[in-house]
Amino acid sequence: EAEVAQSPRYKITEKSQAVAFWCDPISGHATLYWYRQILGQGPELLVQFQDESVVDDSQLPKDRFSAERLKGVDSTLKIQPAELGDSAMYLCASSRGLADQETQYFGPGTRLLVL
Amino acid sequence: GQNIDQPTEMTATEGAIVQINCTYQTSGFNGLFWYQQHAGEAPTFLSYNVLDGLEEKGRFSSFLSRSKGYSYLLLKELQMKDSASYLCAVKDSNYQLIWGAGTKLIIKP
Repeated sequence: EAEVAQSPRYKITEKSQAVAFWCDPISGHATLYWYRQILGQGPELLVQFQDESVVDDSQLPKDRFSAERLKGVDSTLKIQPAELGDSAMYLCASSRGLADQETQYFGPGTRLLVL
Repeated sequence: GQNIDQPTEMTATEGAIVQINCTYQTSGFNGLFWYQQHAGEAPTFLSYNVLDGLEEKGRFSSFLSRSKGYSYLLLKELQMKDSASYLCAVKDSNYQLIWGAGTKLIIKP
């Protein structure tokens, strides 16, 4: 069964350092999502791609976060500089498209700890 | 604003039945999803409802009433491995998923 791949699974960094997360969606999935999830809360959408184009990045803190999906396949999310409040689980999900019945499938996530 | 409400935590006994409720107020409606999330892991898809009524899938069933803005997830014959958080999410008029905070389900022997 096809899965969403993410790396690294865990990342510990010091504040003010740069971190990067990678995601490879399920083959053929045009839509890719990056979420941030804090313990005890639901996922918060950071950025959504349709192929290589950004569809929604309204909740992305653009002063320190950036995301790209250059060839419309895999994607990278970067934080520079990292802050203590960025400690969270970063989840990548993909779906075939945006239609109502299209399900989002999640990767295993990257757990980030900023010291 | 858009809002999804779920109980924060529920406790049930192994072998029993539990119902997790979800109420929503969103800008438009294009379906409701339930996901299961074990501690430290990613959410996994459980069910999808877009029409009123009950959808059954093995031990899990999901119900939707669009007029009431209400759904529930019914888990039967509870097993210890069902201990997890259950997330309700609604796809709004922009096809964005609006997520609840999740219900932590604790199963006791």
